[in-house]
Amino acid sequence: AQSVTQLGSHVSVSEGALVLLRCNYSSSVPPYLFWYVQYPNQGLQLLLKYTTGATLVKGINGFEAEFKKSETSFHLTKPSAHMSDAAEYFCAVGMNYGGSQGNLIFGKGTKLSVKP
Amino acid sequence: DSGVTQTPKHLITATGQRVTLRCSPRSGDLSVYWYQQSLDQGLQFLIQYYNGEERAKGNILERFSAQQFPDLHSELNLSSLELGDSALYFCASSEGQGKSPLHFGNGTRLTVT
Repeated sequence: AQSVTQLGSHVSVSEGALVLLRCNYSSSVPPYLFWYVQYPNQGLQLLLKYTTGATLVKGINGFEAEFKKSETSFHLTKPSAHMSDAAEYFCAVGMNYGGSQGNLIFGKGTKLSVKP
Repeated sequence: DSGVTQTPKHLITATGQRVTLRCSPRSGDLSVYWYQQSLDQGLQFLIQYYNGEERAKGNILERFSAQQFPDLHSELNLSSLELGDSALYFCASSEGQGKSPLHFGNGTRLTVT
């Protein structure tokens, strides 16, 4: 069975500091991996995704993530935090099915706070 | 704007009642997914439809059911509601399955009193 673990339910950084949100996954097949962001009272918005190919993936708003198979990790980073980055971030794993299922399994989320 | 529309935005009802949540997927998306988000359980996958047919079931209670209509919109029916059913219910859609990212609506906040 697939699963996702996000280390740290809350992360706080200063504006301008590095953002690092950790995600580890468990999957018996090559995974598809995603990061989503949720702002208050809104749905989840896709930040970036890894399916195949280059292991360093760039997304929107300056975020990027690196797929490390040996570490079963897909950590999300941003070099310099902005106040507008304050939100909840979800890592998710999708099944590499050729067939019918396509649901994603989500981690429990990490709330990012950005201090001025 | 994800292109996924959910109605209503808020729903307040009493225990034992039945409600219907509606979702219109992004134009062209054939897959619709329902998720429940609560503080204690996080985001839980409920059920997936693809082009009108049920394709996957997650942690969906027997009191809950869903369907996808020929025009691809979907409805989630929740019956015999309990206090613990209070949550945010999200609909998401995707072009296909598996590697396709999901596009989420803004959710329906259900409060059961």
